[in-house]
Amino acid sequence: DTAVSQTPKYLVTQMGNDKSIKCEQNLGHDTMYWYKQDSKKFLKIMFSYNNKELIINETVPNRFSPKSPDKAHLNLHINSLELGDSAVYFCASSQGQSRAFFGQGTRLTVV
Amino acid sequence: SQQGEEDPQALSIQEGENATMNCSYKTSINNLQWYRQNSGRGLVHLILIRSNEREKHSGRLRVTLDTSKKSSSLLITASRAADTASYFCATDAISAAGNKLTFGGGTRVLVKP
Repeated sequence: DTAVSQTPKYLVTQMGNDKSIKCEQNLGHDTMYWYKQDSKKFLKIMFSYNNKELIINETVPNRFSPKSPDKAHLNLHINSLELGDSAVYFCASSQGQSRAFFGQGTRLTVV
Repeated sequence: SQQGEEDPQALSIQEGENATMNCSYKTSINNLQWYRQNSGRGLVHLILIRSNEREKHSGRLRVTLDTSKKSSSLLITASRAADTASYFCATDAISAAGNKLTFGGGTRVLVKP
């Protein structure tokens, strides 16, 4: 079983569209994250949730709206997609001060 | 802003040589983690070192942590072509808001056969 799974793996869409990326973890972790990795490979934290509550929002445009329906899921909805949103998005989870587990990433291409 | 800064940004070595990369950070941490990322792939966890630890080993990997200098190093001994990847440090920072895992810019390592 994959510990952290995100779908889809690839997403190609036109500017202005709205899209969602789903993430699920089966590890029972309390904390989940979304990261954006740009073309220069910088990994930037976007959001962190703890027990379904948003605890970190790193000045991400409000076109990005995370939703955590339960502790095991953290989905990312993006409105009015822009060219600059093209990147690889990683979901991760962790528990306490232990290591994080990452999904395989979603490569988003906005055309 | 990036919590961790890595040095060097890129490293090219021959197979069998050792590779050393460094990570500096700014705030107090719970732990520091190292990850590997092969081109176009996800992140693979390598090792976690806690703030009260100074050195840790895992196979051919050796990690050191100096909290007084706010720095860490990752040493890969007897490198192999399969070690070619980007290596990232990540700090688990102490925060009233909760755990925040922040990554450095990464070191791209090329191991030539």
